[in-house]
Amino acid sequence: GAVVSQHPSRVICKSGTSVKIECRSLDFQATTMFWYRQFPKQSLMLMATSNEGSKATYEQGVEKDKFLINHASLTLSTLTVTSAHPEDSSFYICSARRTSGADTQYFGPGTRLTVL
Amino acid sequence: RKEVEQDPGPFNVPEGATVAFNCTYSNSASQSFFWYRQDCRKEPKLLMSVYSSGNEDGRFTAQLNRASQYISLLIRDSKLSDSATYLCVVNIDRRRDFGNEKLTFGTGTRLTIIP
Repeated sequence: GAVVSQHPSRVICKSGTSVKIECRSLDFQATTMFWYRQFPKQSLMLMATSNEGSKATYEQGVEKDKFLINHASLTLSTLTVTSAHPEDSSFYICSARRTSGADTQYFGPGTRLTVL
Repeated sequence: RKEVEQDPGPFNVPEGATVAFNCTYSNSASQSFFWYRQDCRKEPKLLMSVYSSGNEDGRFTAQLNRASQYISLLIRDSKLSDSATYLCVVNIDRRRDFGNEKLTFGTGTRLTIIP
């Protein structure tokens, strides 16, 4: 199979704190990982594309200094929401694509962030 | 105009019925197409890829019409477990301009199967 995990699954934090979310591909290597955000009753929106060993590519309107992405290995990417505010409350989902093979993305279970 | 448009529903369908969803996309650079399902407060899971020749997986049939930029999903003999939100997803090839591809999601069509 192709299993992607995320940690934590749920986080509640105070405004102004930073939150780190981990995304791991458990049984395959992923050169590319993707970070999405989904607000209630809306579609998933791609935030950034993360390539192992290089800088992430951010979508238009996504602040790279606020959403720090690190992809240090072929099985781990992290997203840090810096100085979180209530409007950052959302469902954050990562996905990973195998280093070789088809373009199918495998999604993690998501992290629900609530900023008070 | 949204890049991927779907009827949000909800579709409330009796168990055993056949239900069809449609989706249109606007970007002609779209190169691959998928249907995902998403259960409430969960991540999306790939249901099937969609090919121009049409493809079938058990009770599910997907069709793609590139000329009309239209994708469909047919579910036959619907089960209670089919209740979910169905996401139409398009992969846009942006490698020349942005160096990567992008999955673009529709807002989903909510389906409820009624016993």
